[in-house]
Amino acid sequence: GAVVSQHPSRVICKSGTSVKIECRSLDFQATTMFWYRQFPKQSLMLMATSNEGSKATYEQGVEKDKFLINHASLTLSTLTVTSAHPEDSSFYICSARRDTEQYFGPGTRLTVT
Amino acid sequence: EDKVVQSPLSLVVHEGDTVTLNCSYEVTNFRSLLWYKQEKKAPTFLFMLTSSGIEKKSGRLSSILDKKELFSILNITATQTGDSAIYLCAVLGGSNYKLTFGKGTLLTVNP
Repeated sequence: GAVVSQHPSRVICKSGTSVKIECRSLDFQATTMFWYRQFPKQSLMLMATSNEGSKATYEQGVEKDKFLINHASLTLSTLTVTSAHPEDSSFYICSARRDTEQYFGPGTRLTVT
Repeated sequence: EDKVVQSPLSLVVHEGDTVTLNCSYEVTNFRSLLWYKQEKKAPTFLFMLTSSGIEKKSGRLSSILDKKELFSILNITATQTGDSAIYLCAVLGGSNYKLTFGKGTLLTVNP
């Protein structure tokens, strides 16, 4: 199978702090990973495309200095939410691409107090 | 800008009913259309459709794609309460295999 994990599954942090979320492809190598954000009762919105060994491509309206993405290996991408604010509270989901398919991680629920 | 539109946005039915969920799209470099079911966590994959007119089936769920009219439908027959979920349609396109999601259809199946 194609398994993607995310860590942590749930995190609560204080306003102004930074939070790092990891996305790992466990049984395959992924040159491309994607980060999505989902607010309550809304659909998944693509935030950025993470390519191994190069800079991430951010979607319009997503601040690249606030959402730092690092894809340092073929099995790991990280998303760091810097100086988090309550409006950053959301469900963050990553996916890893293998061939033409994407496999989703279980998601990370971030709550900023 | 790529766009995926789902309808209806929500639907309430009784167990045993049949439902049809709709998805239309405008995407550059279309590669495939995917349906997902989302309950409390991340979406789970249902179908991937690449060719027009070929029905994909899995138990009580089936789906078909019309690439000329740019839409797809997802049918669920003999619905059960366990089918209650958000059903997401997404289209894979672009040079980097980017997924664009619709807003989803919230299906509630009452006993």
